[in-house]
Amino acid sequence: ETGVTQTPRHLVMGMTNKKSLKCEQHLGHNAMYWYKQSAKKPLELMFVYNFKEQTENNSVPSRFSPECPNSSHLFLHLHTLQPEDSALYLCASSQGGNTVRETQYFGPGTRLLVL
Amino acid sequence: AQKITQTQPGMFVQEKEAVTLDCTYDTSDQSYGLFWYKQPSSGEMIFLIYQGSYDEQNATEGRYSLNFQKARKSANLVISASQLGDSAMYFCAMRQAGTALIFGKGTTLSVSS
Repeated sequence: ETGVTQTPRHLVMGMTNKKSLKCEQHLGHNAMYWYKQSAKKPLELMFVYNFKEQTENNSVPSRFSPECPNSSHLFLHLHTLQPEDSALYLCASSQGGNTVRETQYFGPGTRLLVL
Repeated sequence: AQKITQTQPGMFVQEKEAVTLDCTYDTSDQSYGLFWYKQPSSGEMIFLIYQGSYDEQNATEGRYSLNFQKARKSANLVISASQLGDSAMYFCAMRQAGTALIFGKGTTLSVSS
């Protein structure tokens, strides 16, 4: 596998379910990100991890819980979601040097539908 | 606060023509990076091109070039010789030191034969 992979690609869940999204990067990067993309809205940054430490939480509701066990893996745990949480969830990774030149590489995303 | 504005919700172009996608940005930092990404209907964001705020030359990558006008705070993407496979959403993004990318709302490009 190369680049950034995300599983599952599609997910339908009820509001009382608990599920997890998984992201894995094979680029040797040290920073990982979760973004939310809703229809007709810009991508919203949710969480940033740098060398496994969470460095940014963009006022995300507690029903979204990130986990970064190592620099290659990032999870987003979901529980008691709302229908408005339905969106494309994109994972990205980057070198982790915090320079302006740093390019983020994205996975294919997980399309989430909350019923 | 940093901000990216893309004012064109949709653009239409014929194959082999050139097209310009607009992007303006707002930042008080002197050092920043500007990026363009392509998002096909499959959903993956594909990195296209990068321009640094201190770069004197406009960036080019194959058929993509970036028309960087620092005084106007604009970073327009030019796609030359459009192809059917260029049909997608295009996002302009900016990064300041120590921050993640922030994105504009995107422009949908439709290329017809």
